[in-house]
Formats: sequence, structure tokens, C-alpha cells
Amino acid sequence: GENVEQHPSTLSVQEGDSAVIKCTYSDSASNYFPWYKQELGKGPQLIIDIRSNVGEKKDQRIAVTLNKTAKHFSLHITETQPEDSAVYFCAARSNFGNEKLTFGTGTRLTIIP
Amino acid sequence: NAGVTQTPKFQVLKTGQSMTLQCAQDMNHNSMYWYRQDPGMGLRLIYYSASEGTTDKGEVPNGYNVSRLNKREFSLRLESAAPSQTSVYFCASSRDRNYGYTFGSGTRLTVV
Repeated sequence: GENVEQHPSTLSVQEGDSAVIKCTYSDSASNYFPWYKQELGKGPQLIIDIRSNVGEKKDQRIAVTLNKTAKHFSLHITETQPEDSAVYFCAARSNFGNEKLTFGTGTRLTIIP
Repeated sequence: NAGVTQTPKFQVLKTGQSMTLQCAQDMNHNSMYWYRQDPGMGLRLIYYSASEGTTDKGEVPNGYNVSRLNKREFSLRLESAAPSQTSVYFCASSRDRNYGYTFGSGTRLTVV
């Protein structure tokens, strides 16, 4: 089955700087890659996603890039703000078999004021 | 706009007790999922239901059972709770395989 690895597990950045979180996946048939943000005491919330026919997608201060050849994808947050502090999860879904997402183990992002 | 509603939010059980975690979605989604979240382990799939009337095991199904009661509701049952089942449980739903998940706010379960 699919295996998703996520790095780093913790990340601290100064407010205003950029943050990058990276994930790799094992199943070359995977074609859907969402990113989730989880704030303390809440459920994960979808913040951006990308499909395998696209190399990059941007939504205001967040962007996701996908390298299908290398089987990795990354989340980029620019001009970080205190409210960006949270745990971020990447995930991947294969084009074959069932519909389930496989999640990475999460990155705790802390923005230092 | 409720989304995915989970009850209860908190629960303490004694070893060997049983309980059912309830989940309901109002978005007319076809697929529903139960995950558990443990420190350092990310989100692990317990069971899922691709459509009404079907259920399948996920990564960590032992000790759990599920029921897809109708399109809206998907419950998770612990028949004989064990301390290893202490975790935060999340229910999620999705329209179909081409869309992401909407998660509930979670149930924090402690088994003593």
C-alpha cells in the first residue's frame, strides 16, 4: 500500500519568514495530494490540494508543488503569521483500489513573534 | 452549516466497558471514515465506508466494529475497551474519491 513520509516533524520560523514542509510517497499511481491544518483541540481542515496533472498550485500565502518523477510534494507558506502555528499533515491517494487517503505523521509549525 | 458532527467530545471508560462513537454528516457525502490520532503516529484509518451499505477495514481495525446506518451516519463501536484504545478519534466524510475529507472535531477517549 501507499506510504507517506513527512519532514520535518517540528519547525520553528520567525514571523514573516517562509516555511516549507516536505512529503514523499511510495505509490506511483497516487494522483491526489491534499494538505490539512490542525489547530489545537480541533479536527484537521483541508487548506490546499493538488492533483497529479498539475505541478504547482497557489492560494494566497500558501502553495503546493508536486514532483511526480521524484514522488514528492511540498507545502510552502510565505509571510508567516502567528495564526499559521498548527500541525500540518500531508496525504496521498492512489488512483487504484479504494478511496482512502494515507497521511503523513504531521509537522508542528511554530511561528515565533 | 454543521458539516461532520461527532458525539461525545470526551469520554472516560473502564477497561472492558463498551461504547459507541457517533458520527453524522449533512453534506450528502458518499464516503465516511474513522481515524484514530496518537502522538507521533499521525492519523491511522480504522474503518471506512465507500458508500451506504458497505464497510471495509483500514489499517488498525482490531477491537472495533462499525455500522453505516444510512448515508448520513457512521458509528464506531468498541466492544471491550482496552487502555491501548486511549486516543483521539476523528470521523471524516468525502463526496467521492476525487475530493478531500471534511473532518469532525474529534472524540477524546481515555480507557483506564
